[in-house]
Parts: sequence; structure tokens; C-alpha cells
Amino acid sequence: ETGVTQTPRHLVMGMTNKKSLKCEQHLGHNAMYWYKQSAKKPLELMFVYNFKEQTENNSVPSRFSPECPNSSHLFLHLHTLQPEDSALYLCASSPTSGKGAETGYTFGSGTRLTVV
Amino acid sequence: AQSVTQPDIHITVSEGASLELRCNYSYGATPYLFWYVQSPGQGLQLLLKYFSGDTLVQGIKGFEAEFKRSQSSFNLRKPSVHWSDAAEYFCAVGAGLYGQNFVFGPGTRLSVLP
Repeated sequence: ETGVTQTPRHLVMGMTNKKSLKCEQHLGHNAMYWYKQSAKKPLELMFVYNFKEQTENNSVPSRFSPECPNSSHLFLHLHTLQPEDSALYLCASSPTSGKGAETGYTFGSGTRLTVV
Repeated sequence: AQSVTQPDIHITVSEGASLELRCNYSYGATPYLFWYVQSPGQGLQLLLKYFSGDTLVQGIKGFEAEFKRSQSSFNLRKPSVHWSDAAEYFCAVGAGLYGQNFVFGPGTRLSVLP
């Protein structure tokens, strides 16, 4: 257990479904991140939140909608996904986005998403 | 923009043998450098990091890495590999004023033979 908890661990959804991924950390961190890890591709940063404010959206399609209600929780709302969106979605946190490099990120175990 | 290459996609070593995983980066200034490990079905765990000082850094699980500015490299080493070290290893670079722009390499998968 790293201190960053992601639920669910596995999710299968149809292309017309709406689902949400949840990430929770109780490390006292103020920055949270969503990454996408696809087979044969490097980790892709999707979103960055610092003190609940979105500071980076890495050209992510609008079918992915993040939400950060407080510094401890991060959601990724999914709707009308495509099969190519199937991947491992990783959440990470750091003290602040500015301190992320000095401390490194703490990652959750990920949600394995399959879109059918 | 910074970039990271890990030339070896897959490496196989025998248990007890030494290990070196290569990482090369491209960045105009001194970057923040990291190695992460990912076991199957798990998230990434930080092994070690470098951003100043001694160029040889020690990490968890008996790993170490050496920063060589002249070669733009940050290779990961372990003198004696254990079967539990089988995993995917990622090198990462943090750049920008606070190193906040993280870029991960494509990863090297390590297999360990008994």
C-alpha cells in the first residue's frame, strides 16, 4: 500500500457507458495527477491538479473529465469511450506540483480499464 | 523539451548476476532524474532520485544509479539480482524551473532466470 488508493482495480465498460475512476490519498499532498499507461507506449500525463486547481490538461479528449473536489480526492469521469482508451490509468500525488520533482511522485496501483 | 530513452526493451539476467539498465536523457540543463519500478499489476514505486550533489545515488532494494553529465546518462545498477526484481523499470526526467514537467522513458522489462 503506497498511500494512494485507486478504485476500482478493474473496470469493463461499453462505449456508451458512463463510469468514474476514483483516487484517494492521505499523505497530505496537494498535487494529484492522472497518467495513462498503454501497452507499448510510454506513460502519458493526462491532467495535473495543484491545490484543487487544474494546472495542466495534456490535450486529453473531452470524453475524459477530471474532478478534484479537495486535495485528497481525484476523479476521472469517463463517457462514450473508444476501444483504444483501454489502458491502465494511474493516479499519483506529490507535496505540490512544484515539489513533485524533488520528492518524486507516489503512485497508486492503477485501474485497468477495458472498453468493449 | 526533454526526452528520455531506454535503449533496452527487455533484458534477461540470471539470479545473482549483476544488472545495469541504461537511461539517456535530452535536456539543456541539469535535470531531475528518477528510476521507478513497476511490478505486474501494480503502480510505480520510486527506487531513487538525483537532482544535485553526489552523482552516485543509492536507492531502495539495493539499487544504485550514476549520473554522468558528459554522457547524458543515468544508468541503474544492482550487483546481485534477486528473482523478485523481475519487473518493468522506468527512467524519468523532471525539467522546468521546479522539475515539474515529468517525462517517462518507455521502460525496460527485466526477466530473472532461476
